[in-house]
Amino acid sequence: KAGVTQTPRYLIKTRGQQVTLSCSPISGHRSVSWYQQTPGQGLQFLFEYFSETQRNKGNFPGRFSGRQFSNSRSEMNVSTLELGDSALYLCASSLAAVEANYGYTFGSGTRLTVV
Amino acid sequence: GQNIDQPTEMTATEGAIVQINCTYQTSGFNGLFWYQQHAGEAPTFLSYNVLDGLEEKGRFSSFLSRSKGYSYLLLKELQMKDSASYLCAVKGRDDKIIFGKGTRLHILP
Repeated sequence: KAGVTQTPRYLIKTRGQQVTLSCSPISGHRSVSWYQQTPGQGLQFLFEYFSETQRNKGNFPGRFSGRQFSNSRSEMNVSTLELGDSALYLCASSLAAVEANYGYTFGSGTRLTVV
Repeated sequence: GQNIDQPTEMTATEGAIVQINCTYQTSGFNGLFWYQQHAGEAPTFLSYNVLDGLEEKGRFSSFLSRSKGYSYLLLKELQMKDSASYLCAVKGRDDKIIFGKGTRLHILP
């Protein structure tokens, strides 16, 4: 059974540009959550999607947005990139939004560097 | 507000036992998770507690006290491969899962 696939693995962008990251969850998983991980702040919640609907949103500015498609694949977009957006972006999938007792399965992440 | 506290770093010796504590203050409570993350890798799920008490899974055990907003992860018979960060995460009433900053565990031979 394939795991959570995130693309690309590494990305270098310039300040002011925008970027789109992709996440394909485990087959059958309908919930996808996105986290930003930095050394100083740890894992910070961005948003969660379930059946193409955003169920929850963290405390990030509107430059961060996401969506989920009918096949459960999800994308997140960051516009007008800032140096502080450099981080590891992790996608996590789970069977259903409420069955979290199974825990998330994380992808390997996308390492974004903004220069 | 929501707050999850755990020690930043801990050191233990191979073969020993270590306890990593986590305290939390969140808007509601729907479960607590522990994850392990090796350097450069994605977090992997270790345990889930929603009721008070101890859950044992091999060398790892996790304890929860909801009234105290407290959990710990107990690692027995430590091995070098247990060197990693251990993340405590709480699912709040709104179903958001919020992570602590993690505890980096160093194992000495």
